[in-house]
Amino acid sequence: NAGVTQTPKFQVLKTGQSMTLQCAQDMNHNSMYWYRQDPGMGLRLIYYSASEGTTDKGEVPNGYNVSRLNKREFSLRLESAAPSQTSVYFCASSDQGQGMNTEAFFGQGTRLTVV
Amino acid sequence: AQSVTQLGSHVSVSEGALVLLRCNYSSSVPPYLFWYVQYPNQGLQLLLKYTSAATLVKGINDFEAEFKKSETSFHLTKPSAHMSDAAEYFCAVTLMNTGFQKLVFGTGTRLLVSP
Repeated sequence: NAGVTQTPKFQVLKTGQSMTLQCAQDMNHNSMYWYRQDPGMGLRLIYYSASEGTTDKGEVPNGYNVSRLNKREFSLRLESAAPSQTSVYFCASSDQGQGMNTEAFFGQGTRLTVV
Repeated sequence: AQSVTQLGSHVSVSEGALVLLRCNYSSSVPPYLFWYVQYPNQGLQLLLKYTSAATLVKGINDFEAEFKKSETSFHLTKPSAHMSDAAEYFCAVTLMNTGFQKLVFGTGTRLLVSP
């Protein structure tokens, strides 16, 4: 039972390069999320997708785009990477509609460094 | 105002000592509260969640949290720390925004356990 799978686990980019972070879940969840984790700031929501075909901005969307390819997959794209985007990125999923205390399940993270 | 506030970015305890990690939530948010743990180089996993069925919530690995409405707190405790408890702990709350549930995290507390 894989849960939430993210690729790649590590990536180094040069400023201005682009890349896509991939995320897939096998729990048939309707909602998916992208967070970034920075020291002393906890996890901040970048984008989320309530259901297949919908996406919306979170707290820190600038510099990112997302695609909800199907119910399983939710990708995060950096069009022109900047050093400020150096962070650890987490994808998560949850089964919304089961109540406000529904937990989210997280991937292992992608550690991205932009030089 | 922050939805959840974690007091202390680092907490150090000796093995066998009581663990107390503090979380206060804003009285303006409904108390759909969670504690997540992040072990080194891993994603987040759920420790426990408040369900309103009981004010004292038991989680995995002998952790528990007590919901105190009068103090707007949801502190995490464990009677006796193990070396394996060394990790970062996040308090979180579910907020409803335009019909969508979003998980909002505190800034995290790193627990250090010494022999």
